[in-house]
Amino acid sequence: SQKIEQNSEALNIQEGKTATLTCNYTNYSPAYLQWYRQDPGRGPVFLLLIRENEKEKRKERLKVTFDTTLKQSLFHITASQPADSATYLCALLNTGNQFYFGTGTSLTVIP
Amino acid sequence: KAGVTQTPRYLIKTRGQQVTLSCSPISGHRSVSWYQQTPGQGLQFLFEYFSETQRNKGNFPGRFSGRQFSNSRSEMNVSTLELGDSALYLCASSLTPPGTGELFFGEGSRLTVL
Repeated sequence: SQKIEQNSEALNIQEGKTATLTCNYTNYSPAYLQWYRQDPGRGPVFLLLIRENEKEKRKERLKVTFDTTLKQSLFHITASQPADSATYLCALLNTGNQFYFGTGTSLTVIP
Repeated sequence: KAGVTQTPRYLIKTRGQQVTLSCSPISGHRSVSWYQQTPGQGLQFLFEYFSETQRNKGNFPGRFSGRQFSNSRSEMNVSTLELGDSALYLCASSLTPPGTGELFFGEGSRLTVL
C-alpha cells in the first residue's frame, strides 16, 4: 500500500541547533516533493520544492534533500529559533498530478 | 493580493444534515483543490478543479461533491453528514494544475458534526 511517513509526530530541539525532519514514502513515484509549514488554526504555507533529479535545495536557513533510491527526503532547519515551532508537512506530487501529504511532524524549538 | 478565502470559518451541524463550503482562489488562479485534515489521517485529497472541470478525485464517498464556477470560485458539498466528517476542510489554489507550482491554502473551514 502507499504510505508517506514523517518521523516522530513531535520533535523538540534546543534553540540554535539544527532540526532534521524525515519524510519516507512507499509505493510512490514522485516527480516533485514539497515541504509546507502549518501553524495551529492556519492553512499550510509552502516552503520549498525539490524535483526528482535534484539532490539538494536551499533557501536561507532551510535545506531539503531528496533521495529517490532511499525514497526519502530530509528537511533541515539550521540555527533554529522558537519562531520555527510549527508542524511541517511533506507532500509528493505523484503520477496523475495529485498531491499526497504526510501526517506532519510537530517541531518545538526550546529557548 | 488577496489570499485564498474560505467561508464559513467555523460551523456546527448535526448528523444527517448537509453542508456547503465555499472557496475563492487567488485572483488569476484557475486550479482549486480541496483537502480534508483530521488529526489521525492528516491532509487527504478530496478533488481538484481546473477551468470548471474536475480533473482528479480522491478516495471519498459520493456524499462529497464539488464544483467550480466560471470565475474559478469553488464550492464543496457534503450530504448526509456523519460524525467522522468532523474535520478541517482546506482549499488550495494554484496558477495552473498542481505541478511545479506551490499550493496556496486558505485558513480552512472547521466543521463539527454532532
